[in-house]
Amino acid sequence: AQTVTQSQPEMSVQEAETVTLSCTYDTSESDYYLFWYKQPPSRQMILVIRQEAYKQQNATENRFSVNFQKAAKSFSLKISDSQLGDAAMYFCAYTGDNAGNMLTFGGGTRLMVKP
Amino acid sequence: DAGVIQSPRHEVTEMGQEVTLRCKPISGHNSLFWYRQTMMRGLELLIYFNNNVPIDDSGMPEDRFSAKMPNASFSTLKIQPSEPRDSAVYFCASSLGSSYNEQFFGPGTRLTVL
Repeated sequence: AQTVTQSQPEMSVQEAETVTLSCTYDTSESDYYLFWYKQPPSRQMILVIRQEAYKQQNATENRFSVNFQKAAKSFSLKISDSQLGDAAMYFCAYTGDNAGNMLTFGGGTRLMVKP
Repeated sequence: DAGVIQSPRHEVTEMGQEVTLRCKPISGHNSLFWYRQTMMRGLELLIYFNNNVPIDDSGMPEDRFSAKMPNASFSTLKIQPSEPRDSAVYFCASSLGSSYNEQFFGPGTRLTVL
């Protein structure tokens, strides 16, 4: 079974600074997809960024980028120029090509942004 | 598009009562998921439907839990009888087909069983 681990229960960052959230996963599949979801206090789960395992290039979405290290099974999220609205729970998620697009989530990291 | 719609947003009930949670997926999406979120266990997939057919219900905790998807635009998750340990936020999500596609989540139903 696949597992997703987020080792940082909480992180804090100063507004306008950069922060990196860690995620590791365990799988024996060769084709899979990784996601970062954001859950603000409103509870709504929002997709931040996604990465296809067969793509070597790291995904980027505006201020959000990933560092995907396939051999190390690591998928970290970097948030640049942090804003107060970035404060939320962040969940790393995995789905394999054989998983029927069922997501396995990590335990989450609570990000606090200090003004 | 209105997004994934869940009702009710909040439900408070007493132990032993039947609870029904409802979900309307995004029109055109063919996959539907029910998740449960608790502090202790995080986000857990309960059941997954594809084209209205249950594909994987291995996450359903007990026989007290059941889910149906009678058509492409409606699904229910029922707990009967409910217990205090069922208290959680229940999310419904929908997506189009493949593993790469984003799952769109509803706002969740916060269930409290007294």
